[in-house]
Amino acid sequence: TQLLEQSPQFLSIQEGENLTVYCNSSSVFSSLQWYRQEPGEGPVLLVTVVTGGEVKKLKRLTFQFGDARKDSSLHITAAQPGDTGLYLCAGAPTQGGSEKLVFGKGTKLTVNP
Amino acid sequence: EAQVTQNPRYLITVTGKKLTVTCSQNMNHEYMSWYRQDPGLGLRQIYYSMNVEVTDKGDVPEGYKVSRKEKRNFPLILESPSPNQTSLYFCASRSGFRVYNSPLHFGNGTRLTVT
Repeated sequence: TQLLEQSPQFLSIQEGENLTVYCNSSSVFSSLQWYRQEPGEGPVLLVTVVTGGEVKKLKRLTFQFGDARKDSSLHITAAQPGDTGLYLCAGAPTQGGSEKLVFGKGTKLTVNP
Repeated sequence: EAQVTQNPRYLITVTGKKLTVTCSQNMNHEYMSWYRQDPGLGLRQIYYSMNVEVTDKGDVPEGYKVSRKEKRNFPLILESPSPNQTSLYFCASRSGFRVYNSPLHFGNGTRLTVT
């Protein structure tokens, strides 16, 4: 079973600060997705990264897929209270069929005004 | 509006009383899946379906049943619920079989409590 470890598990910061969330594995993934989940709602896709070394930007959010496709990071610049939520990474293992998606346990981010 | 609809949003029941959580999507997606979300354990897949009449076990299928008689509906059935099935449940769908080019669309969840 391929596992995704997310760190930190919890993060509480002040508005305007920068932060980085990590998603690591010892296994290779064919692609990796980041979702954000707000209280009382289901996760919503933020981005999919496919190529090793790929960097994608979504406004103040920067996503990177590791060169070896075993890890990923999410960097938020100048965090705002609206960024508060649970951030989940999810990877498609190279084994077991492309329909399988493995989720990390999430990073709960709180941005205080 | 494209969406995945789950019902009910909240459910409190007693051990052994059969229940069904419904899930419907209006996006003509082939793939549908059920997950449960528990503190410290994250999202775990219960069952999934690649198409009508095709279902398969996920990582934690024990105690659950599903059916896929129509493309849009994928109900989750608990024949004899137990307290360890108390959890937050999500239904999700996506258009393709390949993860990289088709995001999962989630419903808003069903919070189940079994006493």
